[in-house]
Amino acid sequence: AQSVTQLGSHVSVSEGALVLLRCNYSSSVPPYLFWYVQYPNQGLQLLLKYTSAATLVKGINGFEAEFKKSETSFHLTKPSAHMSDAAEYFCAVSDGPMDSSYKLIFGSGTRLLVRP
Amino acid sequence: DAGVTQSPTHLIKTRGQQVTLRCSPKSGHDTVSWYQQALGQGPQFIFQYYEEEERQRGNFPDRFSGHQFPNYSSELNVNALLLGDSALYLCASREVRDNEQYFGPGTRLTVT
Repeated sequence: AQSVTQLGSHVSVSEGALVLLRCNYSSSVPPYLFWYVQYPNQGLQLLLKYTSAATLVKGINGFEAEFKKSETSFHLTKPSAHMSDAAEYFCAVSDGPMDSSYKLIFGSGTRLLVRP
Repeated sequence: DAGVTQSPTHLIKTRGQQVTLRCSPKSGHDTVSWYQQALGQGPQFIFQYYEEEERQRGNFPDRFSGHQFPNYSSELNVNALLLGDSALYLCASREVRDNEQYFGPGTRLTVT
């Protein structure tokens, strides 16, 4: 069965500092991996996705993530945090082309706090 | 181009009642999925509709049912509401051959 583990329910960084949000997945088939952001009282917005092309994926708002099969990881990074990055971030996995529903299994989320 | 829209925004119901939530997919999308997001948790997959049929279902009881209309819009129905059904209900749409899902703003359901 698929699963996603996000290490750290809360991450606090200073404005301008590196952002690193951790995600590890478990999947019996080659996965598709996604990062979503959720601002208060809003739905989910896709930041980036990995679908078996390049292992380093660039997304919106300066975020990127690297798929590491050997470590079953898909960590999200941003070189310099901005106050507007404060939000909840969710990592999600789907069974890729093996599951045409592309249903998403989400982690429990990481709340990013940005200190001025 | 409107994205995914959901109605109502907020809803308060009493235990034992029934509720219907509505979703209109993004233009050009024909597949709709519903997710439940309890407070402080990640969303959980409820079910997915395509061609007016339920194609896949998550681990939710039969109290949760849905429908998709010919215009691809969808409804989520929950019967015999429990306090534990209080959550943000998210609708996501995609084109059937695309793996990228677009989420709506959600409906916040509170059961008292």
